Amino acid sequence: GDSVTQMEGPVTLSEEAFLTINCTYTATGYPSLFWYVQYPGEGLQLLLKATKADDKGSNKGFEATYRKETTSFHLEKGSVQVSDSAVYFCALSDQPGGSEKLVFGKGMKLTVNP
Amino acid sequence: DAGITQSPRHKVTETGTPVTLRCHQTENHRYMYWYRQDPGHGLRLIHYSYGVKDTDKGEVSDGYSVSRSKTEDFLLTLESATSSQTSVYFCAILWPPTGEQYFGPGTRLTVT
Repeated sequence: GDSVTQMEGPVTLSEEAFLTINCTYTATGYPSLFWYVQYPGEGLQLLLKATKADDKGSNKGFEATYRKETTSFHLEKGSVQVSDSAVYFCALSDQPGGSEKLVFGKGMKLTVNP
Repeated sequence: DAGITQSPRHKVTETGTPVTLRCHQTENHRYMYWYRQDPGHGLRLIHYSYGVKDTDKGEVSDGYSVSRSKTEDFLLTLESATSSQTSVYFCAILWPPTGEQYFGPGTRLTVT
């Protein structure tokens, strides 16, 4: 079945450091790919998404590019802030363009220190 | 704001007792979901619904049942709670214009 593998952490960075969170997937067909973020004590929020190969999703300074050849959707940010401390989840949907059913990675906890 | 509320937000219960968690939405979305979140496992789908009285199982449905008698409410029931069901439970809806899922604030359940 479909699956998502991501870095699990936890990871601690200093403010203004570069962030990469690796995510690879296994799926039949052409899935849509997502990054969700969970701030302390809250539910998950969609951070960004990409629905076809070579699409780049971006939001709040975060970016991720859908790479079909490497089945990857790595999340990057050039300069993290303390407010980026959260848990990050990579996810996929096997419906192109939609997310009726999502499969999540295990999540990675990021702490950013001043 | 997708208008999703969950109740209760926190609950402590004893092994063997029945527990019902409620998810309420205000915008008549068709698809609703129940997930559980556990360290080392991420989010796992328990059950989902694609309309009133239309439900289906997810990845970890054993020990759980659901009901959806009206569009706005999706109930998750643990018939006889076990310690392995201690978790944080999230409800979600599917937002049709974008095909994205939006999550409620979560319910922290502790089974002693």
